[in-house]
Amino acid sequence: AQKVTQAQTEISVVEKEDVTLDCVYETRDTTYYLFWYKQPPSGELVFLIRRNSFDEQNEISGRYSWNFQKSTSSFNFTITASQVVDSAVYFCALRGEASNYKLTFGKGTLLTVNP
Amino acid sequence: DGGITQSPKYLFRKEGQNVTLSCEQNLNHDAMYWYRQDPGQGLRLIYYSQIVNDFQKGDIAEGYSVSREKKESFPLTVTSAQKNPTAFYLCAGGVNSNQPQHFGDGTRLSIL
Repeated sequence: AQKVTQAQTEISVVEKEDVTLDCVYETRDTTYYLFWYKQPPSGELVFLIRRNSFDEQNEISGRYSWNFQKSTSSFNFTITASQVVDSAVYFCALRGEASNYKLTFGKGTLLTVNP
Repeated sequence: DGGITQSPKYLFRKEGQNVTLSCEQNLNHDAMYWYRQDPGQGLRLIYYSQIVNDFQKGDIAEGYSVSREKKESFPLTVTSAQKNPTAFYLCAGGVNSNQPQHFGDGTRLSIL
């Protein structure tokens, strides 16, 4: 069975603050894939990043960075110098190699960035 | 433009009525998925299809039905057996296991 836990239901920050969204996962598969998606108020899910279980390199893309740690089964997402446009629900998702293409989503974290 | 197209954007269902949500894709994705999103619940998988004329139940398939007669189309029917259909429904397409799924803009279904 797969499980994704996003313990932070809602986070509120002031513009230009840094913010980290937590994601903890559980899987019995040795090969798996982790994803982050952004859901703005308009509703569509926007893909942000994919990480393979055998690649623990952290990644930075502009103001976004991701910290993957297999030892703690975590895949945290940090936004540096947050902006109002970052306000959205963010989902972490997991697909294990044996799960037949099925994505398991966390419940999401609502991020509100105030001006 | 390539993508996943869902229609309608908003849909209202009367008691005892079946309604069908449309999902079309021009990305040549083999796999397509239907998710239901409730406030605070995240996304839950309803049905998925990996090839034409084949589909499997997800975690919450009761009260729903699907078909996959063409690669491009994966419509979802919310039947009268689904007693709590009010939710946001998202359709997605995917190529293979390690690639991200691409999502449509969603359909918001409400009860009249």
